[in-house]
Amino acid sequence: GESVGLHLPTLSVQEGDNSIINCAYSNSASDYFIWYKQESGKGPQFIIDIRSNMDKRQGQRVTVLLNKTVKHLSLQIAATQPGDSAVYFCAEGAGYSTLTFGKGTMLLVSP
Amino acid sequence: SQTIHQWPATLVQPVGSPLSLECTVEGTSNPNLYWYRQAAGRGLQLLFYSVGIGQISSEVPQNLSASRPQDRQFILSSKKLLLSDSGFYLCARSDRGLGNTEAFFGQGTRLTVV
Repeated sequence: GESVGLHLPTLSVQEGDNSIINCAYSNSASDYFIWYKQESGKGPQFIIDIRSNMDKRQGQRVTVLLNKTVKHLSLQIAATQPGDSAVYFCAEGAGYSTLTFGKGTMLLVSP
Repeated sequence: SQTIHQWPATLVQPVGSPLSLECTVEGTSNPNLYWYRQAAGRGLQLLFYSVGIGQISSEVPQNLSASRPQDRQFILSSKKLLLSDSGFYLCARSDRGLGNTEAFFGQGTRLTVV
């Protein structure tokens, strides 16, 4: 559903730091999870996904962790760069239903 | 190719005017197609999705409608726009499942109803 607030939660980090963006999902039946990055004025871009039979998946500078017990998903960005500044969305899904997107977190990276 | 074409990029329309946003996709045939709306500073709200020509599922009751006249064409319409229809409209596709595969998004249309 829609977010309840007008402002997205924001994470501010310094360039070079590691960033961790968290997401709580709602449906225990969800078996597929994605992280998207959305830059201002653009459509969301796929970053990384993970299926429920995994706890961790790594990409280039990014790692997704899945904790099914507490229904929690996180995105870790190593050595954060100014170009990583964007809004990050998690999404959950299952084959029988469409993806459900989280509210989003704004990441601000200072040089 | 997962190319998604959306136009126009920006649109300003008066209240009560009609709307037609078009989305065309390239790549594999019979994609699942989606229309999302994103209000300023908010998440993505699914409006419609389609699993095939002429097949439209509506997620949220409103004064918008969608049509899929061709396999790779998805159109979002309104007969009379409301101020509350302002937002960022995104077309997306997925090629295998509804919720078990990634969706690819177009660049969006920024609609302002005045």
